[in-house]
Amino acid sequence: ILNVEQSPQSLHVQEGDSTNFTCSFPSSNFYALHWYRWETAKSPEALFVMTLNGDEKKKGRISATLNTKEGYSYLYIKGSQPEDSATYLCAFIGWGAAGNKLTFGGGTRVLVKP
Amino acid sequence: NAGVTQTPKFQVLKTGQSMTLQCAQDMNHEYMSWYRQDPGMGLRLIHYSVGAGITDQGEVPNGYNVSRSTTEDFPLRLLSAAPSQTSVYFCASNEGLAGDGTQYFGPGTRLLVL
Repeated sequence: ILNVEQSPQSLHVQEGDSTNFTCSFPSSNFYALHWYRWETAKSPEALFVMTLNGDEKKKGRISATLNTKEGYSYLYIKGSQPEDSATYLCAFIGWGAAGNKLTFGGGTRVLVKP
Repeated sequence: NAGVTQTPKFQVLKTGQSMTLQCAQDMNHEYMSWYRQDPGMGLRLIHYSVGAGITDQGEVPNGYNVSRSTTEDFPLRLLSAAPSQTSVYFCASNEGLAGDGTQYFGPGTRLLVL
């Protein structure tokens, strides 16, 4: 079983503040890392697919970086807004994983306080 | 496109009962997967399929059966429900080798086993 961990499990952010959190994954046999945003009572939605060491992706105020050699990815939220409140999931795909099998981390639950 | 659809949305079962959770997608995706979501554990893969007629086990397959007779449908069967199967179940599809592995999730089925 692959070990994909996210920290912290939850965090509270004041509106307007920036924040970041971590996903750690096996550094060997890396193929891709995904980030998903999951709002309460909805389905997870893809944010980023990252494949290359040093990748940086950005969507609005949310960005992510990737370090495959040390096995971690950071997700950043700049100027947090209440609508950013959600659980953020990362998912690892190993090289040769059949059917694009994703192994998910436990998620970081973000609550942005007005 | 409806995307990924799941029925029912909610279900209550008694221990020992059987049922089938339905999942369908209209995006002509090769790959389909079933996940369960439990508090603090993110999403765990139950079974997946890389095409019609082909299925394989994920991380937590015990107590569940699947089949894939068509590209569109991927039902999940609980043969004899147990309280440990109380969870939220998500079906997902992706393009397979033609894509980047991004999962498209259905709305989820909330199951309570008494």
